Amino acid sequence: SYVLTQPPSVSVAPGKTARISCGGNNIGSKSVHWYQQKAGQAPVLVIYFDKDRPSGIPERFSGSKSGNTATLTLIRVEAGDEADYYCQVWDRSRDHPVFGGGTKLTVL
Amino acid sequence: EVQLVESGGGLVKPGRSLRLSCTGSGFTFGDNAVSWFRQAPGKGLEWVGFIRSKIYGETTEYAASVEDRFTISRDDYKRSAYLQLKSLKTEDTAVYYCTLVGYDFLTNHPNWFAPWGQGTLVTVSS
Repeated sequence: SYVLTQPPSVSVAPGKTARISCGGNNIGSKSVHWYQQKAGQAPVLVIYFDKDRPSGIPERFSGSKSGNTATLTLIRVEAGDEADYYCQVWDRSRDHPVFGGGTKLTVL
Repeated sequence: EVQLVESGGGLVKPGRSLRLSCTGSGFTFGDNAVSWFRQAPGKGLEWVGFIRSKIYGETTEYAASVEDRFTISRDDYKRSAYLQLKSLKTEDTAVYYCTLVGYDFLTNHPNWFAPWGQGTLVTVSS
């Protein structure tokens, strides 16, 4: 089955840029979506179709892909960005979604 | 505002059953596929399954880990989807979320999940 690999944790100082990677075989052929989940809250979609932002998501959030890796980038990181971030694709062969294991973003 | 609200969680003994509800507002419920997820304490998101809309036959897909015990259904008149949990085990203890399934309308394929409900906690314990 398809696997997405994320680093367990990323740390960043306030005001700096955080990059969270999501690796998967041939991920370039798939649409990647990203979710933010703050402690005690439900997940929120922050990026869909690799790089599109839903209404209400700040422009500080962006998505990209290169090779076998998708990346969620947060610029000018704020304390309120501290959360778990998950990447997700759809495995068409099984008609199931696949999620990465999640990355805990810590704002120092 | 598009909103989903889950209900029906609680404390249940191993082996028992439980039905969770997900009620939507602010959108045409019947036009949307609905998915269920769960998240065990301190763990990541686990997809449970989803049910397509009526025009796609209200067919369902399930994760292999639950397909023999969990059933998803819907009642568009009540603007609700349901997750029937049977033969519950302690490892089914989790917060259960429902969410709408976002489609790529060019390919008619499901893709992403939004928005999500606030979740309902199911605790399986004797």
